[in-house]
Amino acid sequence: EAGVTQSPTHLIKTRGQQATLRCSPISGHTSVYWYQQALGLGLQFLLWYDEGEERNRGNFPPRFSGRQFPNYSSELNVNALELEDSALYLCASRWEGNQPQHFGDGTRLSIL
Amino acid sequence: KQEVTQIPAALSVPEGENLVLNCSFTDSAIYNLQWFRQDPGKGLTSLLLIQSSQREQTSGRLNASLDKSSGRSTLYIAASQPGDSATYLCAEAGGGADGLTFGKGTHLIIQP
Repeated sequence: EAGVTQSPTHLIKTRGQQATLRCSPISGHTSVYWYQQALGLGLQFLLWYDEGEERNRGNFPPRFSGRQFPNYSSELNVNALELEDSALYLCASRWEGNQPQHFGDGTRLSIL
Repeated sequence: KQEVTQIPAALSVPEGENLVLNCSFTDSAIYNLQWFRQDPGKGLTSLLLIQSSQREQTSGRLNASLDKSSGRSTLYIAASQPGDSATYLCAEAGGGADGLTFGKGTHLIIQP
């Protein structure tokens, strides 16, 4: 069974640009979560999508947004990039509420 | 805002020792708690998930316990091996469908 896959592995952008990160969940999983792991801040919950809808978001500004497609894959978009957006962005998927979340290897976003 | 704390932040022990990693949480309405390991530059690997109605879960050399009344969980690793070296993270889910709240992790080194 293929795990959660994320692309690209690395992404380098400059301040003010926009970034798009992609995630494919485990087959059969309908929920997708996005997390940010910035140096010194730990892992923080960003967004949760389920059945194509945004269900919840963490304490992040609106320039962090995304969507979930009919095949349950997901995109995370970050607009007006700032230096502090440099982080590892992790995607996780889950089948239903009482099941564990399974993570991908992440996208390393570097802002120059 | 819910908080998760992990102690110690770092731990170095000789191979073969049994060890305990600690996690405390403030959410009295915890839904479940999940333990992960993270290798450098990688995503998270799910180790164990304990539902709020459970007291412990076991997988191989790993045993995780949950005490809701005291807001604590422990991860016990038996007969540690150098391959166990990694950062171990605990995370709690408060509403069953919310994003996980993570601790900062325990960086574990097993000396050969």
